[in-house]
Amino acid sequence: GAVVSQHPSRVICKSGTSVKIECRSLDFQATTMFWYRQFPKKSLMLMATSNEGSKATYEQGVEKDKFLINHASLTLSTLTVTSAHPEDSSFYICSAGTGTYGYTFGSGTRLTVV
Amino acid sequence: AQTVTQSQPEMSVQEAETVTLSCTYDTSESDYYLFWYKQPPSRQMILVIRQEAYKQQNATENRFSVNFQKAAKSFSLKISDSQLGDAAMYFCAYSGTYKYIFGTGTRLKVLA
Repeated sequence: GAVVSQHPSRVICKSGTSVKIECRSLDFQATTMFWYRQFPKKSLMLMATSNEGSKATYEQGVEKDKFLINHASLTLSTLTVTSAHPEDSSFYICSAGTGTYGYTFGSGTRLTVV
Repeated sequence: AQTVTQSQPEMSVQEAETVTLSCTYDTSESDYYLFWYKQPPSRQMILVIRQEAYKQQNATENRFSVNFQKAAKSFSLKISDSQLGDAAMYFCAYSGTYKYIFGTGTRLKVLA
């Protein structure tokens, strides 16, 4: 079945630095990938839709300059949290696939900004 | 705009018993898909079951089945013969023309 690999699974960074999270589709090509943020005991909040070869589409309220998304190939999308602050600490999840058959999710990245 | 509502923040079920998780949604679209996802403590999202809106027959996957009531916009998940490994957060999701929308989740506890 379809596999989505997300890396790293956990990262701790200092306030003011940037962190990059990778999302790879291992056995299929994904023209579209999605990035979610999940707060403790809460649902998944869609942050942005990553489109291969073009600009990402951000949801309302999500800062484009804070959360940079690059989808340079059909198997890789990256989310960079720039100038991270403690309030950016969260669980970030990527997904790929189709809305018809259901998405495959990465295993998530727990970001802690200290 | 589409919405997905899970009114049960938490449910408990005895091992080997049956439990039903509720989900309602609101949409003006006629063609869409509905899903149930499981998120265990590892936080890996796992697809449990999928339902196509144009199909009247309820989807089943082993011990998991749905009760899809299109007119009522209801999509409940029934778990039969509950197992300890079923303990997780369960999210109902809607997929239509534009977005994939998740409900707020139901935490299922399985009691030994």
